[in-house]
Amino acid sequence: AQKVTQAQTEISVVEKEDVTLDCVYETRDTTYYLFWYKQPPSGELVFLIRRNSFDEQNEISGRYSWNFQKSTSSFNFTITASQVVDSAVYFCALRSGNQGGKLIFGQGTELSVKP
Amino acid sequence: GAVVSQHPSWVICKSGTSVKIECRSLDFQATTMFWYRQFPKQSLMLMATSNEGSKATYEQGVEKDKFLINHASLTLSTLTVTSAHPEDSSFYICSARSSTGGGYEQYFGPGTRLTVT
Repeated sequence: AQKVTQAQTEISVVEKEDVTLDCVYETRDTTYYLFWYKQPPSGELVFLIRRNSFDEQNEISGRYSWNFQKSTSSFNFTITASQVVDSAVYFCALRSGNQGGKLIFGQGTELSVKP
Repeated sequence: GAVVSQHPSWVICKSGTSVKIECRSLDFQATTMFWYRQFPKQSLMLMATSNEGSKATYEQGVEKDKFLINHASLTLSTLTVTSAHPEDSSFYICSARSSTGGGYEQYFGPGTRLTVT
C-alpha cells in the first residue's frame, strides 16, 4: 500500500525563520514520484517540485530546498528566511511508477508565518 | 505552463437539485482527468479517475450514481453532483494529466466550492 505521512499538522514561525516540513512515504514500488504542492487560502494548488525515485540529489530553488533520502523514505521541504506570503497549506504527494498511478496526498501541513 | 480551468468557481444550490462542474484543459490534451474532494482542514481525497471516451473509475466509497463523471473529449470532463445534500458541500478540484511528454505532470484546476443549502 502507498501512504504519505505529514506528521506536522500546523507550524507557526516568525518571518525570516527557517522552517522544515516533514514528509515520510511508504511504497513497495521501486519507481515512484514524489511531489510538493502549496495551497494558499485561495485554494488553488501550486506545483512546487517533482522528484523521481532514482534521483536522490537535493534541490534548491531560491529560498526553497528539498532533501530526498530513500534510506529513511523521507522527502523534506525547507523554506529559508520564511516570509508572510509563504503562509499556506503544503502537501506532499506520492505517485507509483506506472503512468496510471494515483497521486496520493499527505494530510498537509498548515504553515503560518507571522510578521 | 499547462492550464486547467474549472467552472463555476463557486456555486450555491438547494438541497435536492443537481449541479454540474466543468473541468477543461486549455492548452493541452488530457487523456486522464481526476476529481478530488477536499473538506475544510483536510487533504485532497481522490473521488474518481476518468479516461477520455471510457467510463470513470471510482474510488471505494464514492457513489457513482451520485457523482456522475463524463470525459467526453480530450479537453473536457464534467462532474455532476445529483440530488445534492448539505453533506455534499465541499471543495471539488479537478486535475488533468497530459498525454504527451511522458505524462508525468498532473495539472490542477482552481477548484469549485459547492455549498448545498
